[in-house]
Amino acid sequence: AQKITQTQPGMFVQEKEAVTLDCTYDTSDPSYGLFWYKQPSSGEMIFLIYQGSYDQQNATEGRYSLNFQKARKSANLVISASQLGDSAMYFCAMREGYTGNQFYFGTGTSLTVIP
Amino acid sequence: DTGVSQNPRHKITKRGQNVTFRCDPISEHNRLYWYRQTLGQGPEFLTYFQNEAQLEKSRLLSDRFSAERPKGSFSTLEIQRTEQGDSAMYLCASSVQGARQYFGPGTRLTVT
Repeated sequence: AQKITQTQPGMFVQEKEAVTLDCTYDTSDPSYGLFWYKQPSSGEMIFLIYQGSYDQQNATEGRYSLNFQKARKSANLVISASQLGDSAMYFCAMREGYTGNQFYFGTGTSLTVIP
Repeated sequence: DTGVSQNPRHKITKRGQNVTFRCDPISEHNRLYWYRQTLGQGPEFLTYFQNEAQLEKSRLLSDRFSAERPKGSFSTLEIQRTEQGDSAMYLCASSVQGARQYFGPGTRLTVT
């Protein structure tokens, strides 16, 4: 089974609107971490936001927030007030265990912001 | 700049040749990871080091691939007898234990 599933190959959003990128995960480990990375066309992976499995509140970082629904095993990324510079690939990733040695990445979602 | 660096950024080689990539992690990070990313896919884990010890290798890492981190600082990834299927972006990342990974810019390998 896939550890991380991103079901949206491509998404479009109007500039200044909010957009939600979906991510579901699969693990039996009670301790894990969830990450979102942005990969622009230049190729570098840019860290956006982190959610620990024991965190009580949803993580937020500026315009990014993570909608963490533990029972549903989902960790959707919400980008508010989209900007043209948000156009990129977005990857959801999971680390199993508190100090897990392997990160599992999804296949990514390509986001295009329309002016 | 104290981020993760990778060299070279691009490498074109002929099938059958050997290639070696280098990764310099953030200095205080004890973990170093190698990933491979093909077009339209997410990064796939290849191997990781804790200090100088290589602790895990993916089954994706065939016998033609070898990685080292001799003094627990920089790491090299060597591919012997390259094949066209090895064409990909090779990403290096470093971290402190299981914290977030900091990625380098990657080395894009093209095997002709």
